[in-house]
Amino acid sequence: GQNIDQPTEMTATEGAIVQINCTYQTSGFNGLFWYQQHAGEAPTFLSYNVLDGLEEKGRFSSFLSRSKGYSYLLLKELQMKDSASYLCAVRDGGATNKLIFGTGTLLAVQP
Amino acid sequence: GAGVSQSPRYKVAKRGQDVALRCDPISGHVSLFWYQQALGQGPEFLTYFQNEAQLDKSGLPSDRFFAERPEGSVSTLKIQRTQQEDSAVYLCASSLTRGPPNEKLFFGSGTQLSVL
Repeated sequence: GQNIDQPTEMTATEGAIVQINCTYQTSGFNGLFWYQQHAGEAPTFLSYNVLDGLEEKGRFSSFLSRSKGYSYLLLKELQMKDSASYLCAVRDGGATNKLIFGTGTLLAVQP
Repeated sequence: GAGVSQSPRYKVAKRGQDVALRCDPISGHVSLFWYQQALGQGPEFLTYFQNEAQLDKSGLPSDRFFAERPEGSVSTLKIQRTQQEDSAVYLCASSLTRGPPNEKLFFGSGTQLSVL
């Protein structure tokens, strides 16, 4: 089966650092994506990992451990506009190569 | 257009009505996906097209759901005899090919369907 777990909600303070965890158990694996989704808007791409390790892109970094089925998204210097849902998704590597999403983590950034 | 466009943005239907949701992918994109997103949940896969061919419809919840992409560009998701449990946001996404694993999906803003 396919199982992707994330915390439902998180709260953090403006200017701080927050780490959003994602664990997965999927029948196939061809990479892990993080998307950001503001309320009522389209999900937008943040990062992609297929090899173990850390990928850094500005204020956002994403980490992957394939042996542990684990990833995290790290957001630094939080801004109010970072309040959104963060979606972890695994590319299943099958004929469709579709993305399988977790339930998303709703992040609230407080002043 | 510059991005994936979906219409209508909002749709209210009475239970039992048929609805049609439209997706205009980014021009030239080969792959097109439909997802269903319930409130507070992540997107759930419905179906996948490569050009005009529907290669995977394993996520369609019942035979009331039907999707097509006859000319390999615009796609329509049709729901017949809508039920209250069909209420959700329906997201469309496209990608340039179905090639490299790191190829990202570009999403539309979705159609929010409310069945009364």
